[in-house]
Amino acid sequence: QLQLQESGPGLVKPSETLSLTCTVSGVSDDYISSGTHYWGWVRQPPGRGLEWIASIYYSGSAYYNPSLKSRVTMSVDTSKNQFSLKLSSVTAADTAVYYCVRLAKGARISLGYSYWYFDLWGRGTLVTVSS
Amino acid sequence: EIVMTQSPATLSVSPGERVTLSCRASQTVRTKLAWYQQKPGQAPSLLIYDASTRASGSPASFSGSGSGTDFTLTISSLQSEDFAVYYCQQYYDWPYTFGQGTKLEIK
Repeated sequence: QLQLQESGPGLVKPSETLSLTCTVSGVSDDYISSGTHYWGWVRQPPGRGLEWIASIYYSGSAYYNPSLKSRVTMSVDTSKNQFSLKLSSVTAADTAVYYCVRLAKGARISLGYSYWYFDLWGRGTLVTVSS
Repeated sequence: EIVMTQSPATLSVSPGERVTLSCRASQTVRTKLAWYQQKPGQAPSLLIYDASTRASGSPASFSGSGSGTDFTLTISSLQSEDFAVYYCQQYYDWPYTFGQGTKLEIK
């Protein structure tokens, strides 16, 4: 059964870089490189709502939330069915549960453009920014 | 950025009732609207995509409607397991954005 699993430090010091990896398991070796999905990250501060962070295609083409773009980098390792997130210069405001997500393509409504919704979520990992 | 606004923030309802949640976009998202359910301590899960298509495994009691800027999620008869927080999200344009959520509470 396909699963997404986040991994990485649960505690990061202020001004340092948060690094998380999502492993896609229960799939064929070349699943991410099949190109049928985007992959991404969503976060949720304690007791608050959801914020999309970034999404990436197997080719490395990525979209970033402008509010975080200067600090965020996503990468993908198709050989390991993994994708990663790096968020630099973290502060307490970056404390959140970080979810990795799979994006599926919605019905076509425009030529040459695709629309991607979050169809599968990891269980999430709490990252606390504190000294 | 497209701003998504959900109403109400909290809704107190009794099991068995029919309930409608609202979501409004600050500009058109055509039908590129999804609904997610989040239970305490769990990740969100997809209920509805493309405004009205039920996701695999979503109960038939859930239905979505709307297009453009106004959308609704209807639960035909509330079960105990439906008390949760519901989020709408647009994927018409980057950055993808969520509403602030509607919490369904037991009356």
